[in-house]
Amino acid sequence: DAKTTQPPSMDCAEGRAANLPCNHSTISGNEYVYWYRQIHSQGPQYIIHGLKNNETNEMASLIITEDRKSSTLILPHATLRDTAVYYCIVRVATSGTYKYIFGTGTRLKVLA
Amino acid sequence: GAVVSQHPSWVICKSGTSVKIECRSLDFQATTMFWYRQFPKQSLMLMATSNEGSKATYEQGVEKDKFLINHASLTLSTLTVTSAHPEDSSFYICSARVDSREQFFGPGTRLTVL
Repeated sequence: DAKTTQPPSMDCAEGRAANLPCNHSTISGNEYVYWYRQIHSQGPQYIIHGLKNNETNEMASLIITEDRKSSTLILPHATLRDTAVYYCIVRVATSGTYKYIFGTGTRLKVLA
Repeated sequence: GAVVSQHPSWVICKSGTSVKIECRSLDFQATTMFWYRQFPKQSLMLMATSNEGSKATYEQGVEKDKFLINHASLTLSTLTVTSAHPEDSSFYICSARVDSREQFFGPGTRLTVL
């Protein structure tokens, strides 16, 4: 019951902005969107999250459409170390707690 | 801060044996811990949610008698794969969370069952 859809792969030139899209058309009003990335054979690393408003931190920016049906993760100046699988996740409330529903992820390759 | 460790990082075992994987939150007390499984080139699949001092909640299709979870303290959860078979070979990843904050993931444990 994946709630997100992402392109399977993308390439980006080093130094350029990487824009990773995510569709979550069935998201409910109180469900957050989270982004994590996973470098080969490691645990996922938190990047950013948001509910309605656009968010920015030292790693990335998150742009959420007004209808909340899609979002875009922006890495402003991609480096080779940003090569990873990026997961767009919906956090759902269930049985008194919250759990992540992972999408299939986008494999980002940053090219020199 | 917010470091989660797993032990062992990799393990090879014979079919029919049991394997225990530990997940520890090193610098915080986690109210909830999660266990995921990841097959090669696939996404993470949630197996179970674990709260300290109570029984784990398993996702549909995950056998609770095969994947035993014990959450004995606010910093330690264990996953035991009982009577392991080759199809249980996978990358097992835990995460820990405080209240409704983001989850912090461990580095994962690669299990190979011969």
